[in-house]
Amino acid sequence: GAVVSQHPSRVICKSGTSVKIECRSLDFQATTMFWYRQFPKQSLMLMATSNEGSKATYEQGVEKDKFLINHASLTLSTLTVTSAHPEDSSFYICSAREGETQYFGPGTRLTVL
Amino acid sequence: GENVEQHPSTLSVQEGDSAVIKCTYSDSASNYFPWYKQELGKRPQLIIDIRSNVGEKKDQRIAVTLNKTAKHFSLHITETQPEDSAVYFCAASLWTTDSWGKLQFGAGTQVVVTP
Repeated sequence: GAVVSQHPSRVICKSGTSVKIECRSLDFQATTMFWYRQFPKQSLMLMATSNEGSKATYEQGVEKDKFLINHASLTLSTLTVTSAHPEDSSFYICSAREGETQYFGPGTRLTVL
Repeated sequence: GENVEQHPSTLSVQEGDSAVIKCTYSDSASNYFPWYKQELGKRPQLIIDIRSNVGEKKDQRIAVTLNKTAKHFSLHITETQPEDSAVYFCAASLWTTDSWGKLQFGAGTQVVVTP
């Protein structure tokens, strides 16, 4: 089946710094990728939809200037958490769409000290 | 927008018994309903999906049923095994070739299979 990678798997950073997370579709091209945030024992919360070659579409309540998304190619989307604060600590998961099916990356555990 | 409700939130079953998880959706236009399994700290894995033109789909011990009139769909796991223990999420989306196909997820069901 389709494979999606995500890097890094875990990152610890100081408050005020920026962190970039990469999401790659390894064996297929993905015009559309999605970024989710997941809190412990909760469901996946869609943050934004990333479309190759165009601006991302953010869900209501998600700050686009804080969570910068770039979908530079058909196999790569990046999420940059700018000026991270402890409340941004979470599990971030991307997915890539092939047809109607979304395949998920392994997630990135972000801890902001 | 679409709203998906999922029940129960936790489900404990004895090994070998069946497990059933139910979801309801609000948008009658939704036409694609996947189920994902997520183990602790891991990625959600697609286990089965169903489209609105089909009433039932089965894959070995897993089956999904869809009632479009009532706007609900269910996951059935038969002969449960300890490795079935995980959180299961249902989701719904409106899929067309022109759409993004955003998924609306249910809250999840923690399934625990005891030997």
